[in-house]
Amino acid sequence: DVKVTQSSRYLVKRTGEKVFLECVQDMDHENMFWYRQDPGLGLRLIYFSYDVKMKEKGDIPEGYSVSREKKERFSLILESASTNQTSMYLCASSLIVAGTRGNQPQHFGDGTRLSIL
Amino acid sequence: SQKIEQNSEALNIQEGKTATLTCNYTNYSPAYLQWYRQDPGRGPVFLLLIRENEKEKRKERLKVTFDTTLKQSLFHITASQPADSATYLCALQGGYSTLTFGKGTMLLVSP
Repeated sequence: DVKVTQSSRYLVKRTGEKVFLECVQDMDHENMFWYRQDPGLGLRLIYFSYDVKMKEKGDIPEGYSVSREKKERFSLILESASTNQTSMYLCASSLIVAGTRGNQPQHFGDGTRLSIL
Repeated sequence: SQKIEQNSEALNIQEGKTATLTCNYTNYSPAYLQWYRQDPGRGPVFLLLIRENEKEKRKERLKVTFDTTLKQSLFHITASQPADSATYLCALQGGYSTLTFGKGTMLLVSP
């Protein structure tokens, strides 16, 4: 089974801090994703990566950056944390299969509940 | 713009009945659609994928239909059990390997 591990289940930080959220997957998946999930707004894509050192903006990239130095690890960075970034952050990964038009399930970690005070 | 709608109100049913959840979409022609289950405090878990050329897909007690004319998918759980209580998310193909998720419908199965 695919395992996607997020470094912290709960995290409390202060406004203005630089925050790092780490995600590791163990199934050699090419794609990795960062989402945030808020009540009433659902899952929203922040950034994704389809290869090492490659990154693409999702729907809400403002205030975030990402890093993918190794295939199994995808980091989300809050450059200067603000209270409106308090949320549940979810990491996911998926395989690329030629000829399937990106048609693969995503495998999620259990999330990091981040509070910015 | 693309829009995915799932019932925001929780669906309450009795154990043993069939639960039917709806996913409607507009301004969209996805090649496939996926359903996920999410338990409180956990990440979503993939359940089923159905392609645009498939009308119906089954897996054990789960059945998904995909009507590209109506722009609708129905998700059925037959012989529902309290352990089926969770939030169910539909997700449509976005851009490159990405998915756009609905907000989910909570299902509550009472004994």
